Amino acid sequence: ELKVEQNPLFLSMQEGKNYTIYCNYSTTSDRLYWYRQDPGKSLESLFVLLSNGAVKQEGRLMASLDTKARLSTLHITAAVHDLSATYFCAVVLIVYSGGGADGLTFGKGTHLIIQP
Amino acid sequence: NAGVMQNPRHLVRRRGQEARLRCSPMKGHSHVYWYRQLPEEGLKFMVYLQKENIIDESGMPKERFSAEFPKEGPSILRIQQVVRGDSAAYFCASSPPGASTEAFFGQGTRLTVV
Repeated sequence: ELKVEQNPLFLSMQEGKNYTIYCNYSTTSDRLYWYRQDPGKSLESLFVLLSNGAVKQEGRLMASLDTKARLSTLHITAAVHDLSATYFCAVVLIVYSGGGADGLTFGKGTHLIIQP
Repeated sequence: NAGVMQNPRHLVRRRGQEARLRCSPMKGHSHVYWYRQLPEEGLKFMVYLQKENIIDESGMPKERFSAEFPKEGPSILRIQQVVRGDSAAYFCASSPPGASTEAFFGQGTRLTVV
């Protein structure tokens, strides 16, 4: 069974600080997604990492993937209050040969609170 | 182009009743996925459907749960004889045809069983 573990699960930080969220997974996979979820809302796709060593950046967020270590990181630079949300990583559980989106296994999420 | 539409957004059912959750995929999307999110947990895959076909139901509980995606109309996730443990947020996602396409999620239906 594929297990996906995120840490920390809860994070309170001040604006302007840097921090990293970690996502470890238990079996081989070379595709990983990061999502953001605001309270009561759906999941917003942030990054899709498709290969070992992939790095993607959008604004103050940067994600990377190390498939050999089975580790992905989401780094937040100079945090601002608007980034407060729950962040999920999701690892591909199954790739369907007939097409369609990959079946995903999600971590429990990291609840991020950024205080002014 | 409207996103993935789920309804209702909130649903309250008494134990033993049936719950029907609806999902209309994005225009042009023929693949639908259902996920369940228990409190303080990540999303768990339940089922993957294409029009009139169940492709993968490996995440569906063996009893009381069923899903369909008819030729016309929305996809339906049906839970019979609900129990308190079914209380969760149920998310639907859709994707276009093609290999390893990205799925887009709806806003979810929050089911509360009282």
